[in-house]
Amino acid sequence: EPEVTQTPSHQVTQMGQEVILRCVPISNHLYFYWYRQILGQKVEFLVSFYNNEISEKSEIFDDQFSVERPDGSNFTLKIRSTKLEDSAMYFCASRILGLAEQETQYFGPGTRLLVL
Amino acid sequence: DAKTTQPTSMDCAEGRAANLPCNHSTISGNEYVYWYRQIHSQGPQYIIHGLKNNETNEMASLIITEDRKSSTLILPHATLRDTAVYYCIVRVDKIIFGKGTRLHILP
Repeated sequence: EPEVTQTPSHQVTQMGQEVILRCVPISNHLYFYWYRQILGQKVEFLVSFYNNEISEKSEIFDDQFSVERPDGSNFTLKIRSTKLEDSAMYFCASRILGLAEQETQYFGPGTRLLVL
Repeated sequence: DAKTTQPTSMDCAEGRAANLPCNHSTISGNEYVYWYRQIHSQGPQYIIHGLKNNETNEMASLIITEDRKSSTLILPHATLRDTAVYYCIVRVDKIIFGKGTRLHILP
């Protein structure tokens, strides 16, 4: 069964460093998402991406964050200058775009980011 | 946005059916009811969805009331691996996760 994959599974970085989290969505999906989950808290929406542009973003997704689909398979989340409060699990998700029956989002296993 | 209400936590004995309720009284006519779960720190996992008819798949059954204001997710034979937080969601283009129901399966 096709699945969303994410790399790396864990990332440790120093405050102020740039990190890039990578995702490979399900191959025929057209809508992509990033979510994050701070330890012990709810999963929070960050951004949605369709047709090579951001569709919607949350208040969390400030100028330090950017997303990109550099090729036909990868979808990346970049944090330019990490802060301690960016430490969280980051989940990528994708869905096919079409009829409501096909609205299901499928999530990857996540990248655990630790900022020191 | 349609809002959902779920109990904070539930217990279920292993091998028994787990019935997880959800209220979504403000759901609109074309919104589907989706259920996801999150097993400790893993990515949210899709379980099932439905519009107005009851649905069943290999993981669970979904019972939606005729007025569509509430639904119940049924795990027919709960196992310890079903211990997770279960989320009832009615908007899936941008999922807003609430607190969900923490399901404990008791051995």
